[in-house]
Amino acid sequence: KQEVTQIPAALSVPEGENLVLNCSFTDSAIYNLQWFRQDPGKGLTSLLLIQSSQREQTSGRLNASLDKSSGRSTLYIAASQPGDSATYLCAVPGGYQKVTFGIGTKLQVIP
Amino acid sequence: DAGITQSPRYKITETGRQVTLMCHQTWSHSYMFWYRQDLGHGLRLIYYSAAADITDKGEVPDGYVVSRSKTENFPLTLESATRSQTSVYFCASSEVAEGKNIQYFGAGTRLSVL
Repeated sequence: KQEVTQIPAALSVPEGENLVLNCSFTDSAIYNLQWFRQDPGKGLTSLLLIQSSQREQTSGRLNASLDKSSGRSTLYIAASQPGDSATYLCAVPGGYQKVTFGIGTKLQVIP
Repeated sequence: DAGITQSPRYKITETGRQVTLMCHQTWSHSYMFWYRQDLGHGLRLIYYSAAADITDKGEVPDGYVVSRSKTENFPLTLESATRSQTSVYFCASSEVAEGKNIQYFGAGTRLSVL
């Protein structure tokens, strides 16, 4: 059974800092890995998807990396802004397109 | 509008009542899912469906019933609501294209059982 762990559970940084969110998974036989953002009281917004054959994927100030062999992914956020404050979820699809989610990292960027 | 629509967005009910949460997608994705999200547990899969008339249990199916008579609709029913079913419920659909398994989420239904 796939297990997904996200560290840290919460993070508070001053505006402008670069930061890294971590995700680890136990079963390395994955299609891809998806990072989501969730604002309080809202649904999930897809940020980045890395295919199993890729090592990195970039979108604006976000960069996600994937190391299948070690079962790890990182989400790097450059020059953080208060608008980046949200919970970030890592998701790993498995059989029958079912997805296992981490509990998330709650990020607060302080102006 | 294209996407996944959940209704209602908010619902308050009483213990023992039957409640149905609706989910509609416009893409004709084969797979659809229901999750619940609770503090400390993250998102947990309740039921999923691979196609019309094909459904299966997820991690936490007890107390819930689903149906899928049409590809675009996937309602979730709480047959006799309990306080432990107070949660935020998310519907999702997914597609596999070019080797990518991409999940799309609705805005969620916040359910309170009193």
